[in-house]
Amino acid sequence: GQNIDQPTEMTATEGAIVQINCTYQTSGFNGLFWYQQHAGEAPTFLSYNVLDGLEEKGRFSSFLSRSKGYSYLLLKELQMKDSASYLCAVRDGDYKLSFGAGTTVTVRA
Amino acid sequence: ETGVTQTPRHLVMGMTNKKSLKCEQHLGHNAMYWYKQSAKKPLELMFVYSLEERVENNSVPSRFSPECPNSSHLFLHLHTLQPEDSALYLCASSQEIGSGANVLTFGAGSRLTVL
Repeated sequence: GQNIDQPTEMTATEGAIVQINCTYQTSGFNGLFWYQQHAGEAPTFLSYNVLDGLEEKGRFSSFLSRSKGYSYLLLKELQMKDSASYLCAVRDGDYKLSFGAGTTVTVRA
Repeated sequence: ETGVTQTPRHLVMGMTNKKSLKCEQHLGHNAMYWYKQSAKKPLELMFVYSLEERVENNSVPSRFSPECPNSSHLFLHLHTLQPEDSALYLCASSQEIGSGANVLTFGAGSRLTVL
């Protein structure tokens, strides 16, 4: 099974940087995903990491350390529209994707 | 339409009712999934279908019955539900169920309330 931990809530100011940490304990590892979910909407894919290191995609970056069972999602130049829940998910086999409970990020003016 | 469409978006039902949730994807994907999302809890995988064959039934009570008539449609039939089944039910699809950057595309969900 999987145990995936991430903070429940984070608050940051518009224009700032926020880092959302995710730690996991798994019986296997076959990739880590980050999804964004606005209230009342579908989760949407943000990033995928399977090898150690940093993946950058515009204002968003995701980092993975497999040996530490650790990932983070970095959101830079925060905008009000970035207020959402951010879901960390780990795939342990061919298709089973296990999710954390999500981190609600609130961006304040 | 594009993407993954779920209907109805909201459903209120009594414990003795029978209802169904519908999911349709227009992405040409071969795999479809049902997830349950309860407040402050992780998404729970319920069922997985690959090419219309069920490959996962994740210890889900029999009051939830999935149906996948073709690779574009997925249903979740509901009967004699309990109040604790109230949640957001998310449908998702992916190109296949294999490994790699196999990204799930989610629908907006069906918000179910059981009275």
